[in-house]
Amino acid sequence: AQTVTQSQPEMSVQEAETVTLSCTYDTSESNYYLFWYKQPPSRQMILVIRQEAYKQQNATENRFSVNFQKAAKSFSLKISDSQLGDTAMYFCAFISNTGNQFYFGTGTSLTVIP
Amino acid sequence: NAGVTQTPKFQVLKTGQSMTLQCAQDMNHEYMSWYRQDPGMGLRLIHYSVGAGITDQGEVPNGYNVSRSTTEDFPLRLLSAAPSQTSVYFCASRTGGLAKNIQYFGAGTRLSVL
Repeated sequence: AQTVTQSQPEMSVQEAETVTLSCTYDTSESNYYLFWYKQPPSRQMILVIRQEAYKQQNATENRFSVNFQKAAKSFSLKISDSQLGDTAMYFCAFISNTGNQFYFGTGTSLTVIP
Repeated sequence: NAGVTQTPKFQVLKTGQSMTLQCAQDMNHEYMSWYRQDPGMGLRLIHYSVGAGITDQGEVPNGYNVSRSTTEDFPLRLLSAAPSQTSVYFCASRTGGLAKNIQYFGAGTRLSVL
């Protein structure tokens, strides 16, 4: 069975600073995908970034980047130049290449302080 | 450009009542899923479907029924609502093609069972 763990229930960061959200996962699969989703107060789930396990290069989307450590089964999200609009719940998620189910972590609530 | 549409957005039920949460997608996606989101527990999979006529149970299926008669629609039925089913419910869909692991979410339904 796959599990996804987010050990930081809440975090805060000053506007314009950098923050890193942690995620670890457990799987016996070799090919899989990892995701970070953002859920602002509007409740809408928004895909932030996606990483394919067979790609060694870390994914980047504008101010968002990941540090993917396959051997350590770690997938952290770095947000640079934090903005007030980044205030949201962030979920880490996993799906294997052969599976039908997504597995989500319990989320990290991020507050950006002006 | 509707994407995934969930109705209703809010619902209050009394214990023992039944209701159906509606989900429709207009992207011709094969895969559809229902999740519930509870504080501190992330998103948990209730049921999912890999195509019309095919459904399967997720992590927390008890108390819920689904069917998939068309590609577009995937309703979730609560046969006899219980207070433990108070939650936010999300429907999601994704393609079975090369981009199969990008999941699109509806706006959610907040359900309260009194």
